Amino acid sequence: DTGVSQDPRHKITKRGQNVTFRCDPISEHNRLYWYRQTLGQGPEFLTYFQNEAQLEKSRLLSDRFSAERPKGSFSTLEIQRTEQGDSAMYLCASSLVGAAYEQYFGPGTRLTVT
Amino acid sequence: QKEVEQDPGPLSVPEGAIVSLNCTYSNSAFQYFMWYRQYSRKGPELLMYTYSSGNKEDGRFTAQVDKSSKYISLFIRDSQPSDSATYLCAILNRDDKIIFGKGTRLHILP
Repeated sequence: DTGVSQDPRHKITKRGQNVTFRCDPISEHNRLYWYRQTLGQGPEFLTYFQNEAQLEKSRLLSDRFSAERPKGSFSTLEIQRTEQGDSAMYLCASSLVGAAYEQYFGPGTRLTVT
Repeated sequence: QKEVEQDPGPLSVPEGAIVSLNCTYSNSAFQYFMWYRQYSRKGPELLMYTYSSGNKEDGRFTAQVDKSSKYISLFIRDSQPSDSATYLCAILNRDDKIIFGKGTRLHILP
């Protein structure tokens, strides 16, 4: 079991550019979650998938954010027209259905918008 | 009132001491309570989860939930410098979303 992986680990981009992050969950996990974490705060829920269906999106997820999980395996999170306020750690987690209390996190993608 | 409240610290204790980390929560309907450890610039690592009230022990770590006072605790026995990290308490809400506290920064002094 390789755990949850995320790519890239770090991304520096200029304001206004688009960025895309990838998450590969634990293989048998059908739930996949995205969180955002800023300095000194706990992770905040953004959205989650059950298989390929996106079940919920947080109010934090503006129209510039979109997430997909096309085949129910890996997921991508895209941010369009990045703003400096988007600078944060983007975390992915996965779990089994019915075991959302047991989410396993990836190492995160640290985004810096200059 | 925030759903989960946690003192951000920092908390510094000497090596070998017992560490007590605490959180309060607002909604008595919450049933699952988790503790995560996060090292600097890493993802959170699940330490343990507890269902409803009571204690749960795993090695040097003990999680405790007191639903009557809406209080959750994590105790670390025989603390080691490698335990220095940020500890996040969390609850699972009725929509299957995890709500995290801000995290407590812990320093174990050699």
